[in-house]
Amino acid sequence: DAMVIQNPRYQVTQFGKPVTLSCSQTLNHNVMYWYQQKSSQAPKLLFHYYDKDFNNEADTPDNFQSRRPNTSFCFLDIRSPGLGDAAMYLCATSPGTGSYEQYFGPGTRLTVT
Amino acid sequence: DQQVKQNSPSLSVQEGRISILNCDYTNSMFDYFLWYKKYPAEGPTFLISISSIKDKNEDGRFTVFLNKSAKHLSLHIVPSQPGDSAVYFCAARDNYGGSQGNLIFGKGTKLSVKP
Repeated sequence: DAMVIQNPRYQVTQFGKPVTLSCSQTLNHNVMYWYQQKSSQAPKLLFHYYDKDFNNEADTPDNFQSRRPNTSFCFLDIRSPGLGDAAMYLCATSPGTGSYEQYFGPGTRLTVT
Repeated sequence: DQQVKQNSPSLSVQEGRISILNCDYTNSMFDYFLWYKKYPAEGPTFLISISSIKDKNEDGRFTVFLNKSAKHLSLHIVPSQPGDSAVYFCAARDNYGGSQGNLIFGKGTKLSVKP
């Protein structure tokens, strides 16, 4: 089945220690998104790639970076995690042109100690 | 400031009855609305959507109603089943202002369907 895969599902990192979350897709979609979701909050878009074009949301902290080496993979790098970065991180994909639906992975729960 | 609001954090309904989940939005430029369903430890899954040029869309037990003048949409589930117990997110597509059609989500409503 075509899907969006996120690894790991649970990640524990120390305060200030860089961490990378990964997302892969078998849907061959053009667009890949990263969202941050804190408890009882709406998913908040951090950035997205349309093909290789990177689009950063205005209020996404510089501490968050992303890489998309190819169509299938996208990475979220948190350079110096703070306690406030503990959250669920959701990856989503979309075909792009003509389709508005986004397809989500199961998420990675990040804990910062 | 929230552009998509789901003012009820939770809703409890008896099995077989109707569930009505509400969503309000502030931006009249939103042109497409979606409902997502999320089970614990899973990502949100697409449920149903509606274009701003329509006022109703139906898919089996799920119907979404859109009232543009009131900037309000609702999701009706009839009849409700215990398996519908989940968090439901309302989302709106922002196709203007350089947003490239990104989705803006509400905080979600947790639906519990009691047997």
